[in-house]
Amino acid sequence: DGGITQSPKYLFRKEGQNVTLSCEQNLNHDAMYWYRQDPGQGLRLIYYSQIVNDFQKGDIAEGYSVSREKKESFPLTVTSAQKNPTAFYLCASSVGLADGEQYFGPGTRLTVT
Amino acid sequence: GENVEQHPSTLSVQEGDSAVIKCTYSDSASNYFPWYKQELGKRPQLIIDIRSNVGEKKDQRIAVTLNKTAKHFSLHITETQPEDSAVYFCAARPAYSGAGSYQLTFGKGTKLSVIP
Repeated sequence: DGGITQSPKYLFRKEGQNVTLSCEQNLNHDAMYWYRQDPGQGLRLIYYSQIVNDFQKGDIAEGYSVSREKKESFPLTVTSAQKNPTAFYLCASSVGLADGEQYFGPGTRLTVT
Repeated sequence: GENVEQHPSTLSVQEGDSAVIKCTYSDSASNYFPWYKQELGKRPQLIIDIRSNVGEKKDQRIAVTLNKTAKHFSLHITETQPEDSAVYFCAARPAYSGAGSYQLTFGKGTKLSVIP
């Protein structure tokens, strides 16, 4: 299961706190993505990055922020502005933005109470 | 933007029977259609994909068919086994044209249960 990793596997936070989810890949992929998965909702794109120091909003970016300072890393911050943050978060990467398979990390389950 | 509809949301089959999951898409510019399998608590993994210059692709017990005119594509699993039990997601992505997002748009998933 190497290649793309996420930590931690489970994360618990109190409402009103910001929290950062880690995503690292050693596949030398240029493109990276963050998805949110809720039961019965499929995978919804939060943010994506085609290249270092560049990222774009996906379909549900409100209440989230990202950075891409290194090719290998694409952390996601869930801010207190996200109204319903409890979910399963998946990071993915691909060779390029329009290039073939997206490889997923193992996911982080965030619970906010 | 792209909209992908997936049916059915749940599917139960007897071991050894076939399973078919169907997806429709809205953007005629889409030309890449992957299928992902997600076992309980695990990451999604690509099981098969098809591009719009191909009508059908097979890999052992799994096949995908694509009808670009009707904008739908289907996953076929033959001789199902208990280990095929999982959630399956279809997705669609537009062709590269130098501009645009090229994001994968996913269906909402089908929970397949194979009954021994």
